[in-house]
Amino acid sequence: GAVVSQHPSWVICKSGTSVKIECRSLDFQATTMFWYRQFPKQSLMLMATSNEGSKATYEQGVEKDKFLINHASLTLSTLTVTSAHPEDSSFYICSARDGGLLNEQFFGPGTRLTVL
Amino acid sequence: GQQLNQSPQSMFIQEGEDVSMNCTSSSIFNTWLWYKQDPGEGPVLLIALYKAGELTSNGRLTAQFGITRKDSFLNISASIPSDVGIYFCAGLRTSGTYKYIFGTGTRLKVLA
Repeated sequence: GAVVSQHPSWVICKSGTSVKIECRSLDFQATTMFWYRQFPKQSLMLMATSNEGSKATYEQGVEKDKFLINHASLTLSTLTVTSAHPEDSSFYICSARDGGLLNEQFFGPGTRLTVL
Repeated sequence: GQQLNQSPQSMFIQEGEDVSMNCTSSSIFNTWLWYKQDPGEGPVLLIALYKAGELTSNGRLTAQFGITRKDSFLNISASIPSDVGIYFCAGLRTSGTYKYIFGTGTRLKVLA
């Protein structure tokens, strides 16, 4: 149980295009989903917290107009990187929190974004 | 953003040895989680801790939630080559915005 999927697993795009990444909880309902960014050999940095049916809460320094987050259902959240540039190239990972009593979060496999 | 301090930053050990790493914070957490991340993949949950002083095992892994609620440690006994990877601790913050704060990571390399 507690499986989180991400799609696509990797994407290469041209500078100026937008890229959408999907995060799904496959066998549980996720009241909260989180989006992280990870640079090589570094830890995970939280970008935003997403609650179903409400606006995402962005961390300081993360541009909400640049990284659009939608959490339309209890099993799906999407991150859209708008007008991507090479500096947006990174490993993006989502996680989902089980809405039960335990405070555990489960991660997706990540999406490698390369902007040319 | 804020990160928890993990030590050591990296370590090489011989197969069969025991490994210990810890995670410290300046603030209190009510839940501690330990994850392992392999290259190019998302972190996988190893152990979750919910109460101060709690000691929990998962196979060869043992983790403890510090009494002060500001630290946690993870032990790996009799290490094997597949233990290679990066280990992250995470503390759950529930005051204000509900979110997990991650440690800086411990990179483990096992020499066969």
